[in-house]
Amino acid sequence: QKEVEQDPGPLSVPEGAIVSLNCTYSNSAFQYFMWYRQYSRKGPELLMYTYSSGNKEDGRFTAQVDKSSKYISLFIRDSQPSDSATYLCAMSPTYGGSQGNLIFGKGTKLSVKP
Amino acid sequence: DTEVTQTPKHLVMGMTNKKSLKCEQHMGHRAMYWYKQKAKKPPELMFVYSYEKLSINESVPSRFSPECPNSSLLNLHLHALQPEDSALYLCASSQDRSGMVVQVGNTIYFGEGSWLTVV
Repeated sequence: QKEVEQDPGPLSVPEGAIVSLNCTYSNSAFQYFMWYRQYSRKGPELLMYTYSSGNKEDGRFTAQVDKSSKYISLFIRDSQPSDSATYLCAMSPTYGGSQGNLIFGKGTKLSVKP
Repeated sequence: DTEVTQTPKHLVMGMTNKKSLKCEQHMGHRAMYWYKQKAKKPPELMFVYSYEKLSINESVPSRFSPECPNSSLLNLHLHALQPEDSALYLCASSQDRSGMVVQVGNTIYFGEGSWLTVV
């Protein structure tokens, strides 16, 4: 079993839809959870980070962590064509992954159609 | 806009060439990283520098040679590469790598990457 599982998609939704992106993980030592957005041929851009369980909201984005189920989610409300990108979840057993040991999911490719 | 700047954005090199990738950050971060990313794959860690000292080398072949001249700069020297080394090379930075004390905002920020093609 891989440490982090993420459905690679592709996921195609109409503009304005609510998007749900998910990752599951097996290592209970993971404490810090991140979502990165990566446009084609660009580096990953940090979208959200959360520590331990709970929800965090930033504009149209909500990150959710359920440590009991080892499940994290990113919700995008009122999705826009500009949200079309690959979304990578990443997690670490140390705060902020400052040991360099970020564990990434495979990434989910999202396409938002006008 | 990312505050981690990488140059060049694109590089094509022959297998006998020597070239370098450069990375700069001005966020006062003391940990810097090189990652390699192949198409449709997540980034893979190559090297970690902490306070200008190499602290992690993920068994990377010696044809990749990192260098950290100061706390703001990180280079990756390339020599005798193979076509399978063609990839997006990502530089990243974070506040520090102690991991011992919880600090707000101690996350990893990536540059836009350097696309490397080895012919």
